[in-house]
This record gives sequence, structure tokens and C-alpha cells, in this order.
Amino acid sequence: DSGVTQTPKHLITATGQRVTLRCSPRSGDLSVYWYQQSLDQGLQFLIQYYNGEERAKGNILERFSAQQFPDLHSELNLSSLELGDSALYFCASSVGGQGQPQHFGDGTRLSIL
Amino acid sequence: GESVGLHLPTLSVQEGDNSIINCAYSNSASDYFIWYKQESGKGPQFIIDIRSNMDKRQGQRVTVLLNKTVKHLSLQIAATQPGDSAVYFCAETSYSVSTGKLIFGQGTTLQVKP
Repeated sequence: DSGVTQTPKHLITATGQRVTLRCSPRSGDLSVYWYQQSLDQGLQFLIQYYNGEERAKGNILERFSAQQFPDLHSELNLSSLELGDSALYFCASSVGGQGQPQHFGDGTRLSIL
Repeated sequence: GESVGLHLPTLSVQEGDNSIINCAYSNSASDYFIWYKQESGKGPQFIIDIRSNMDKRQGQRVTVLLNKTVKHLSLQIAATQPGDSAVYFCAETSYSVSTGKLIFGQGTTLQVKP
């Protein structure tokens, strides 16, 4: 058990809809990262927050947004969903903002019908 | 259209043998590297890490080797067990930027034959 909790484990929804994925980092970790894992793209970095502030953005679509709350949990919001958004979405956390091991949750599997 | 999945290289080894999984990283500025293991239905699990000021680091049954000259990492697993069967990813990042963003390799599937 990595100590990173993601909910829900599975989400099934339709095109055009909006969903929210939730992540609770390990106790004491200040950084939260979101990654997308798809069959054709592998694991891709989306966005990082450190102590409530956005630290870095990767290949995140404009339809996607995230935030980190004062209690350090994070949410990833996906809107106007398309079939191609079907993927596994992972959250990871680390103590600091860089150069440290990241520990991953077990992901949310998003299926768009 | 039809989607094409990543074709992951596969390493098949006999239980008890040693395994070596290789990874070529992309950015010569990367100075921190991590190996992850991913089992079906689970998230990537941290195995071992190494910083660029080291060539070798050992853990329990695992050793990571780093060759910065040719931008190559390897993960050695001693006495491979059926529970080691999984997909293994290397990941790279850099201290010199103010982000912990990891860049992942495509992964290698390890199959352990009993």
C-alpha cells in the first residue's frame, strides 16, 4: 500500500460529460502529480501541485483542470469528455517538489462510452 | 480508427535466474532516475532510485546501474520469483528544474516461468 488514495476506482460516463477524480496524498507529502496512462501513449505527466500551488504543467488538455486544496488533497476535473480520454489516471505524491521518489495510487479507470 | 497499443518488449526468464531490464533515457540533463514495477490493476510501485553522482545502487534483490555516457539504465533482479512478473518502467527527471515531472520509458514486461 503506497499510502496514496484515489477515488473512484472506476468511472463510466458518456461523451460530453464532466467528471472529477480525487486524490489523497501520503501523510506528510506536499507535492501531488497527475499522470495519464493510455494504451498508445504510455504514462504521461499532466500536472504537478506543490503545497497548494501549481508547479508544472505537462501534456494537459485545456478541457482538463486540477487543484490542490489546503488539506493537500487534489482533484482532477475532466470536461467535455471525448472517447480518446478513456484511460487510467494516476495520482502520485512526494515529500518535496523535485528529485524525490513519487508514490502512486492505484488509479481511476475512466471509460467513455 | 483502430487504436494501436504500445508494443512492450518482453523478457521471459526462469524462476531463480537473474533478470536484467534495460532502459535508454532521453535527456542528457536528467540526473535522477527511478525504477517502477506495475502489476495488473495497480499503480506503479517504487522499486529503487539512483542519482547521477552514482553508477550503481543496490537494494533488496535489486541493483540499478547507470551509464551516463550512453544514457543507459539497467535494473538487475536476483533470483527472480513469480511475484516479480509485472511491467517495469524507468523514469527520469532533473534536479535543475523546479518540477518533479517524471518522464517514463515505455516499459518492459517481465514474465517469470515456474
